[in-house]
Amino acid sequence: DVKVTQSSRYLVKRTGEKVFLECVQDMDHENMFWYRQDPGLGLRLIYFSYDVKMKEKGDIPEGYSVSREKKERFSLILESASTNQTSMYLCASKTGGTGANVLTFGAGSRLTVL
Amino acid sequence: AQSVTQPDIHITVSEGASLELRCNYSYGATPYLFWYVQSPGQGLQLLLKYFSGDTLVQGIKGFEAEFKRSQSSFNLRKPSVHWSDAAEYFCAVGGSNFGNEKLTFGTGTRLTIIP
Repeated sequence: DVKVTQSSRYLVKRTGEKVFLECVQDMDHENMFWYRQDPGLGLRLIYFSYDVKMKEKGDIPEGYSVSREKKERFSLILESASTNQTSMYLCASKTGGTGANVLTFGAGSRLTVL
Repeated sequence: AQSVTQPDIHITVSEGASLELRCNYSYGATPYLFWYVQSPGQGLQLLLKYFSGDTLVQGIKGFEAEFKRSQSSFNLRKPSVHWSDAAEYFCAVGGSNFGNEKLTFGTGTRLTIIP
């Protein structure tokens, strides 16, 4: 089975800190995604990447950046964390190209910013 | 722009009763449709998907969904729910060029099961 691993399940940070959320997948998937999940708002796409060093903005990129230096790793960066970034962050990956492709999700990283 | 509407925020059903969760989508071309389930504290797991062909699709855990193009709907059903089905359910839509496009999710429906 495809495995998507988010190394930090729970984080507590202070306002203004720089935060790194790491995601690693082990199935050579081209595409990787970062979503933010909030009650009543569902999942909203922050950034995605369809190749190494490539990135595309999603629906809510403000306040976030990403890094994809290796195919298997996609990092989400909060340059200066704010309380409104307290949320559940979900990483996902899938194969690229057209056709029947399915997202596989990690277990999530719950971030609290104080 | 593509979108997904899940009109029911929270549904409560008795164990053993039937279930239908509603999903309406908006997409300008042929949609790819998905249902995911999220248990508390976990990531999302794929229940089923529709890409083409038979409009009634079967998934895991005894779930099925029916694609109705005329109604822009993709409702999820289960004939008899189990206590372990309590979770949050998300409908999602993507395009046929989904390879390099995003998937858009609905806001989710929380399912509670009462004994």
